[in-house]
Amino acid sequence: DVKVTQSSRYLVKRTGEKVFLECVQDMDHENMFWYRQDPGLGLRLIYFSYDVKMKEKGDIPEGYSVSREKKERFSLILESASTNQTSMYLCASSLRIGLHIPETQYFGPGTRLLVL
Amino acid sequence: KQEVTQIPAALSVPEGENLVLNCSFTDSAIYNLQWFRQDPGKGLTSLLLIQSSQREQTSGRLNASLDKSSGRSTLYIAASQPGDSATYLCAVFSSNTGKLIFGQGTTLQVKP
Repeated sequence: DVKVTQSSRYLVKRTGEKVFLECVQDMDHENMFWYRQDPGLGLRLIYFSYDVKMKEKGDIPEGYSVSREKKERFSLILESASTNQTSMYLCASSLRIGLHIPETQYFGPGTRLLVL
Repeated sequence: KQEVTQIPAALSVPEGENLVLNCSFTDSAIYNLQWFRQDPGKGLTSLLLIQSSQREQTSGRLNASLDKSSGRSTLYIAASQPGDSATYLCAVFSSNTGKLIFGQGTTLQVKP
């Protein structure tokens, strides 16, 4: 079974703090994704990565950055946390069979972040 | 721009009932469509994935259909149980953007 783990289930931070959210998958997947989920807005893609050291902006990258130094690990960084970044953050991973052939995305349990 | 809509937003049914959840999308240029389940405060669990060339997929009591030309998918749950209570999300993988686009979800409550 694919396992995607996220470093924290709940996190409380202060405005202006630098925040790191970590995601690790154990199935040697090439693709990894970061989403945020908000009531009424659904899931929105922040950033994704197709390979080590590669990153692509999603739909709402502003205020976020990412790092992928190892294939199994994808980190989301909030450089200076703000209250409007309070949200549920979900990480996902998938295989890349072909360049444009998408496979099932497997999700982690989520990190609920509160920025005060 | 691809938009995914799920109706109804919430549904409450008695145990044992068969039910249908609906998903519609505006752009038929998709690679596949996926149904997920999300329990409160948890991540998403993939239930079924239908490739664009397929019409339906089945897993146990779940059956998902896809009509790409009309931009519709349904998730059929047979003999519902209280353990089926969750939010069900539909998502399409857009050929144009290369991204997974989610609907808002249908929250299902199955009463004993």
